[in-house]
Amino acid sequence: GDSVTQMEGPVTLSEEAFLTINCTYTATGYPSLFWYVQYPGEGLQLLLKATKADDKGSNKGFEATYRKETTSFHLEKGSVQVSDSAVYFCALNNFNKFYFGSGTKLNVKP
Amino acid sequence: EPEVTQTPSHQVTQMGQEVILRCVPISNHLYFYWYRQILGQKVEFLVSFYNNEISEKSEIFDDQFSVERPDGSNFTLKIRSTKLEDSAMYFCASRTIGQGGYTFGSGTRLTVV
Repeated sequence: GDSVTQMEGPVTLSEEAFLTINCTYTATGYPSLFWYVQYPGEGLQLLLKATKADDKGSNKGFEATYRKETTSFHLEKGSVQVSDSAVYFCALNNFNKFYFGSGTKLNVKP
Repeated sequence: EPEVTQTPSHQVTQMGQEVILRCVPISNHLYFYWYRQILGQKVEFLVSFYNNEISEKSEIFDDQFSVERPDGSNFTLKIRSTKLEDSAMYFCASRTIGQGGYTFGSGTRLTVV
């Protein structure tokens, strides 16, 4: 069945460091891919998305490219801030149902 | 920007009690969903609802669960007799036609004691 695998956390970085959170997926057909962010005590917020191969989603300095050949959708940011500390979920939507990864907790230290 | 609203934000209930979680989807959305996230685990699909009936449900969504859209605006999830393992964050979502229009609510944290 469809599934998403993302790197285990927590990831701890210093402010202004480069961030990569790896995400790979298994799916039939042509899923859309998403990154959601969850701040402590809050719900899921859409960070970015890509609906087809080679699309790049971007928002707030984060970006991810839909790579069909490697079935990946890695999240990157060039310079993280303390306020980026949160849990990041990679997800796919196929046939109108979401499948989420297990989440990666990011801690950014000043 | 339109939002999916969930109430309450946090509910504590005793084991064996019935609980109803409420959601107000975006007004022109046609498809409605419930997802669950047990603390520290993945967000899991529970059920989808369209045209006043369940269109798909997961193994988790057993006879203890039911959904309803009683008045054309609210979308509710009822758990008939709560168990400790029902403690989780429950997310409502709605969408319009097409995958891009999917919006999640901020969740209800259910604690069963």
